[in-house]
Amino acid sequence: EIVMTQSPATLSVSPGERATVSCRASQSVRSYLAWYQQKPGQAPRLLIYDASTRATGIPARFTGRGSGTQFTLTISSLQSEDFAVYFCQQYNNWPPYTFGQGTKLE
Amino acid sequence: EVRLVESGGVVAQPGGSLRLSCVASGFTFDDYAMQWVRQAPGKGPEWVSIITWDGGSTYYADSVKGRFTISRDNSKNTLYLQMNSLRHEDTALYYCARAGGTYFFYYMDVWGRGTTVTVSS
Repeated sequence: EIVMTQSPATLSVSPGERATVSCRASQSVRSYLAWYQQKPGQAPRLLIYDASTRATGIPARFTGRGSGTQFTLTISSLQSEDFAVYFCQQYNNWPPYTFGQGTKLE
Repeated sequence: EVRLVESGGVVAQPGGSLRLSCVASGFTFDDYAMQWVRQAPGKGPEWVSIITWDGGSTYYADSVKGRFTISRDNSKNTLYLQMNSLRHEDTALYYCARAGGTYFFYYMDVWGRGTTVTVSS
């Protein structure tokens, strides 16, 4: 099973600032990595798939990069609605598909 | 509008059974593989199971293998999860999710709002 490790667990940022969340895989997942955003009381929402492709309707301020074992999600200028928990998920080696433990932007 | 609506979550006793349902609308259901993902309070999501578009192949997380069964009825646009031999650690919010991607290189591109399963005596 591939273990996904996110850092940091919590990121304190201000609106307008840039935020970067990291995700590391225990072995290569090539570019088969997705990012999700989850707000309190809501289901996760797909942001990025294939490591760098934005899902439909996702603003350009969200950028995914990386391949192999190291990935990042960058939000270029934080808006108030971006304060949420972010998860990465690998889908190269399955089953199981595995998620990171999450990074909270506060 | 693409929608997934789960139901069937209840409070169940350890060792008990229940069946979750997920009704899909707004897309051609039998064009997609479908998945169940669960999330315990304060935890990250945990993938549970996946079924191909025709129900011909199914896969499970080790934590539920032999106890849970995923199935679908394409004539009713409905996904199911039969949960047997329930354990306390099965307590979670269960999401139905559509599989995006191709041939098992799948992410979850549409999620329902979830249904809560609590296993407690």
